[in-house]
Amino acid sequence: KAGVTQTPRYLIKTRGQQVTLSCSPISGHRSVSWYQQTPGQGLQFLFEYFSETQRNKGNFPGRFSGRQFSNSRSEMNVSTLELGDSALYLCASSLREGLRAYEQYFGPGTRLTVT
Amino acid sequence: SQQGEEDPQALSIQEGENATMNCSYKTSINNLQWYRQNSGRGLVHLILIRSNEREKHSGRLRVTLDTSKKSSSLLITASRAADTASYFCATDKYGGSQGNLIFGKGTKLSVKP
Repeated sequence: KAGVTQTPRYLIKTRGQQVTLSCSPISGHRSVSWYQQTPGQGLQFLFEYFSETQRNKGNFPGRFSGRQFSNSRSEMNVSTLELGDSALYLCASSLREGLRAYEQYFGPGTRLTVT
Repeated sequence: SQQGEEDPQALSIQEGENATMNCSYKTSINNLQWYRQNSGRGLVHLILIRSNEREKHSGRLRVTLDTSKKSSSLLITASRAADTASYFCATDKYGGSQGNLIFGKGTKLSVKP
């Protein structure tokens, strides 16, 4: 089975712009979670999508949004970029049955640099 | 906010030695997972242990969970240079969504040949 893929792998944007990141989960996985990793804050949960619905959201401003499509692929969007949004954005997919979750499998990440 | 806290923050050992990393967390959990991350790359899932399990093995990895102490340990036996990476524990909150993992800051392991 192919792993989780994320595009693009690297991105450079300027302050005030917006960006869309894409994630394709492992085939058969219906849950997709997004995380932000920075040296200062570590790994922080952004949101989780399951069956095209946002199930959970972390403590991030409304500039961070996401969606999931019927094929389980997910996108996240960050509007009005700030320097502090520079980070590695990781997507993870997992099987999900009701409240029970399984291991999360991570993609290679998108390295976003905001200048 | 950090749920898990790994200890030590950094560990340097020789190839062939065992490496032990500890994780403490604050709230009751459903599951605890350990992940490995090579420099700046995605996370690799190592092992998941459920709250009703006490010990789990996978190859050279051994994980223990003590829910009364809210702590877990990861033991890597006969370490190799390729084990050099950062190791994170991740938990979910009991009663919460299991898709929301809360990570510690990680232990940076360096294995010298």
